[in-house]
Amino acid sequence: GESVGLHLPTLSVQEGDNSIINCAYSNSASDYFIWYKQESGKGPQFIIDIRSNMDKRQGQRVTVLLNKTVKHLSLQIAATQPGDSAVYFCAETSSGNTPLVFGKGTRLSVIA
Amino acid sequence: GAVVSQHPSWVICKSGTSVKIECRSLDFQATTMFWYRQFPKQSLMLMATSNEGSKATYEQGVEKDKFLINHASLTLSTLTVTSAHPEDSSFYICSAREQGAREKLFFGSGTQLSVL
Repeated sequence: GESVGLHLPTLSVQEGDNSIINCAYSNSASDYFIWYKQESGKGPQFIIDIRSNMDKRQGQRVTVLLNKTVKHLSLQIAATQPGDSAVYFCAETSSGNTPLVFGKGTRLSVIA
Repeated sequence: GAVVSQHPSWVICKSGTSVKIECRSLDFQATTMFWYRQFPKQSLMLMATSNEGSKATYEQGVEKDKFLINHASLTLSTLTVTSAHPEDSSFYICSAREQGAREKLFFGSGTQLSVL
């Protein structure tokens, strides 16, 4: 299930199940979105990206969905594995040399 | 993908000392690098944008005299935390954008700073 911790919401899933991590972004002008995975004590690792002219993009075991109408982004992980346990951040930016703005993050905990 | 090297990975220092953190793009040139700060269980907060050959752009609330940024070459940016205090203890992460690439950022492994 999903719960809100002190700062980071946590999603707990059984190994082998699918995970869905959600993100609400703030800037309607943002046209490029990225999902990052961050393990404890490490920098963010790129997972998948999507541009605003698309509403879905698939990678290996991951799918990103974009709903611009409600400014919502989701990351779906198929057949979740223990190695997927980490904090996941969505990030947004607009065209040009603007910095990425990160969302609050969700901690994914995979139960073996 | 492109590699960004950040050094040191962790540092412990006494209050009042200065600490320098290096961020290098190893296999690409980066005209722009970004410095983020992350407190435990929180998201990454942008501190400043470092542009090669020009002054850094700081986010609101970030003291430029406290966090000195130098981007002297296309492959190196440094962040110096001057006169560090315990409240500066945090995880600092740099990222770099490849020259000519629009948005994709590559991140360093981060530096955990602990000020005693």
